[in-house]
Amino acid sequence: DIQMTQSPSSLSASVGDRVTITCRASQTINNYLNWYQQKPGKAPKLLIYAASSLQSAVPSRFSGSGSGTDFTLTVSSLQPEDFATYYCQQSYTPPRTFGQGTRVEIK
Amino acid sequence: QVQLQESGPGLVKPSETLSLTCTVSGGSISTYYWTWIRQPPGKGLEWIGYVYYSGSTGYNPSLKSRITISVDTSKKQFSLKLSSVTAADTAVYYCVRDNYSSNWYYFDYWGQGTLVTVSS
Repeated sequence: DIQMTQSPSSLSASVGDRVTITCRASQTINNYLNWYQQKPGKAPKLLIYAASSLQSAVPSRFSGSGSGTDFTLTVSSLQPEDFATYYCQQSYTPPRTFGQGTRVEIK
Repeated sequence: QVQLQESGPGLVKPSETLSLTCTVSGGSISTYYWTWIRQPPGKGLEWIGYVYYSGSTGYNPSLKSRITISVDTSKKQFSLKLSSVTAADTAVYYCVRDNYSSNWYYFDYWGQGTLVTVSS
C-alpha cells in the first residue's frame, strides 16, 4: 500500500493567516492526489483533485501544488469557516489511502 | 444534485455480519464507481472498497476476506457486507461516489455517514 504522511498533525492559526499543509507519498503517485476538508460530525468535502484542480464551488483561497511524492495544500487567508481537519488521499492505485489528517485550530 | 443516503442497523453483535445499503438519488448510478469508506471515532479515514455499476469490485486487502460489495442498478442502490465483525469495526461508514473524469479519480459526493457500533 502507498503510505501518505501529512505534516503537521495539527496547527494553530489566526483568521487571515496563510496556512500550508504538506503531504508526502511513500512512492511516486504522479499528480493523483486529492485534498478534503472535514468538519466535526460531517462527511469530508472535496477541495482539490489532481493535485491542483479546484473543485467546483470551492473558494479560490484554497490551492494545491506538487507532483511525484510531495504535495502542498495552501489556504491563502484563513477564514472562520476553514477551521477543520484536512486529509490528503492518493488515487494512483488501489487501495486508496489517506493521510492521517491535519487539524487546523483557532489560535 | 447527487445525494447518497446510508441505511442499516446501528448496532451489530461481535462475530455477526454488518450490512449497509446506500441509495443514490439525483443522478445516475451508471458509469461511476461506488465506494465505502469508514472512520473509527476520533480517527482517520479508511477506504473499504468499491463496486462499479457493471458489478466489478475492488477491495482493501486488509479487509478483503470479510467484504462483499454489490450493486443493484434498478434500485439505484449499492451495499456493503462485512462479516465476523469485532469492536475494531466500530466506525462511521460513508458511502461515496468515486468520480472518474479526464483520467482522474476523486471522491466527490459523500453520504452523511452512519455510525455502526459493534457490541454485545
